[in-house]
Amino acid sequence: AQSVTQPDIHITVSEGASLELRCNYSYGATPYLFWYVQSPGQGLQLLLKYFSGDTLVQGIKGFEAEFKRSQSSFNLRKPSVHWSDAAEYFCAVAPGYGGATNKLIFGTGTLLAVQP
Amino acid sequence: DAGVIQSPRHEVTEMGQEVTLRCKPISGHDYLFWYRQTMMRGLELLIYFNNNVPIDDSGMPEDRFSAKMPNASFSTLKIQPSEPRDSAVYFCASSYPSTGNYGYTFGSGTRLTVV
Repeated sequence: AQSVTQPDIHITVSEGASLELRCNYSYGATPYLFWYVQSPGQGLQLLLKYFSGDTLVQGIKGFEAEFKRSQSSFNLRKPSVHWSDAAEYFCAVAPGYGGATNKLIFGTGTLLAVQP
Repeated sequence: DAGVIQSPRHEVTEMGQEVTLRCKPISGHDYLFWYRQTMMRGLELLIYFNNNVPIDDSGMPEDRFSAKMPNASFSTLKIQPSEPRDSAVYFCASSYPSTGNYGYTFGSGTRLTVV
């Protein structure tokens, strides 16, 4: 069965520093990949998604992610973090074919704290 | 567009009581999902519907949980009887993948506390 691993439960970065959140997936084929952000007390908001094509995808709020098939990874990056980026980030995967292409499986999340 | 609307935002109930959570998906979206979020288990898919028909309910924890979607603009998740271990945030999400726009729009969630 497909799975998503986010190895970092909690990350702290300084404001203005760069950020990389890791995501690895386990799946036999190229899945659809997503990153969501959840602010406290809120629902999840889609940051970006990858289906095919260019392996570097741009999202909202200055985030980008790179799909690396050889490493089964889809890491999220931002060159300069703002205090408002403090939130929990979820990587998600869906099968890239078949009837369940719309069924997302979420990772356990990475909680990002931003120091002034 | 008002987005996915869930009600109530917070619910506190006593063990053994019936609880009903409500969701209004985005107009035109043909998939609706119910997720549960807890610290211990993260985000769990409970059930999802396509065109108001339940497609996969394998994530529903037990018979105390039931979900319906009587029409394209409304869904309910019911717990009867409720137990303290049901305390969690319940999210509804909708999507419209036939346009190629995979990915969900989430509601703000219902925080359920069973005492």
